[in-house]
Amino acid sequence: GENVEQHPSTLSVQEGDSAVIKCTYSDSASNYFPWYKQELGKGPQLIIDIRSNVGEKKDQRIAVTLNKTAKHFSLHITETQPEDSAVYFCAAREGSNTGKLIFGQGTTLQVKP
Amino acid sequence: GAVVSQHPSWVICKSGTSVKIECRSLDFQATTMFWYRQFPKQSLMLMATSNEGSKATYEQGVEKDKFLINHASLTLSTLTVTSAHPEDSSFYICSARLVWQFFGPGTRLTVL
Repeated sequence: GENVEQHPSTLSVQEGDSAVIKCTYSDSASNYFPWYKQELGKGPQLIIDIRSNVGEKKDQRIAVTLNKTAKHFSLHITETQPEDSAVYFCAAREGSNTGKLIFGQGTTLQVKP
Repeated sequence: GAVVSQHPSWVICKSGTSVKIECRSLDFQATTMFWYRQFPKQSLMLMATSNEGSKATYEQGVEKDKFLINHASLTLSTLTVTSAHPEDSSFYICSARLVWQFFGPGTRLTVL
């Protein structure tokens, strides 16, 4: 089955700096890669996603890149703000019929004002 | 994005009792719903996948007789934790999928 590794586990940046979170996956059949933001005590919120037929996608300050050959994808947040502080999870959807999302371990992002 | 609700948001119960958690997709019909469990500072672990009108598919290691899932309609799924024990205390999160997958706000279960 699919296995997703996420790094780093914690990330601290100054307000205005960029933050990058990286994930690798094992199943070459996986074709969909969403990113979720989870604030304390709340459910995950979808912030951006990318499909395997696209190499990059951007939405304002957030971008995601995908390298299918290397089986890794990354989340880029530019001009970080204190409200970006949260736990971020990457996920990969299995290429099997189940379509299950397999999550990375999570990254706790702290943006210091 | 689409809205998924959960009820209750938190529950405290005595050991040995059963607890039911409801998950609803409010503005769309979900072909598939998922139930996850999340322990403090850990990732989301999939417990089971359910499709409306059929039996849930449980992940390895998840007891189907302990975690009863009913997916009665395209907008409602319930998870019942039977004979709850302190080790069942966790954050339970449901998710509904049409094309994208959206998550509910979670239910904090504490078993005394």
